[in-house]
Amino acid sequence: AQKVTQAQTEISVVEKEDVTLDCVYETRDTTYYLFWYKQPPSGELVFLIRRNSFDEQNEISGRYSWNFQKSTSSFNFTITASQVVDSAVYFCALSEYQAGTALIFGKGTTLSVSS
Amino acid sequence: DADVTQTPRNRITKTGKRIMLECSQTKGHDRMYWYRQDPGLGLRLIYYSFDVKDINKGEISDGYSVSRQAQAKFSLSLESAIPNQTALYFCATSLADSTDTQYFGPGTRLTVL
Repeated sequence: AQKVTQAQTEISVVEKEDVTLDCVYETRDTTYYLFWYKQPPSGELVFLIRRNSFDEQNEISGRYSWNFQKSTSSFNFTITASQVVDSAVYFCALSEYQAGTALIFGKGTTLSVSS
Repeated sequence: DADVTQTPRNRITKTGKRIMLECSQTKGHDRMYWYRQDPGLGLRLIYYSFDVKDINKGEISDGYSVSRQAQAKFSLSLESAIPNQTALYFCATSLADSTDTQYFGPGTRLTVL
């Protein structure tokens, strides 16, 4: 069965620290997609990244980077030099090609960045 | 203007009342979804629709119904609201495949007293 685990419920860091949010997934499908969404205190869900199962290249976007490792079924998200505006709940999600339905979300990690 | 809109943004209602949450999108996407978010539980799928004539139950559809009035509109109804349906409700859309990126509306905060 498909499942997404975000073991870190809450993380607190001080500005400028680097922080990594962990995401471990389970799937039997060979074709799947992984996502990260950000939910700031205002409540909306903001799409950050989509990665398919055939592309294991790491991706960097500004201060954000993602490390996808199929061998460990992980899709971790690192924020470099964190800022107060990074404070939010971050969700990792999985979508399976065969299932054809919708996203399976992890329970989220709440990141608090203090100044 | 936002691509995915939800109305109302906040609603307080009483147990037993019927309530409808509405979602509209201007993205031209075929697929639409309703999720609910509860603290510490992430988002869970209620219903999804692949097109106007195709509606499917999600993980937690009991107590809910939906209507896809047009490609751009997808409504969620609580036939007889109960307190444990108090949650944040999100509508989402995707282009044509569930593996496509889903774009979310701003959410509706519903409180059932």
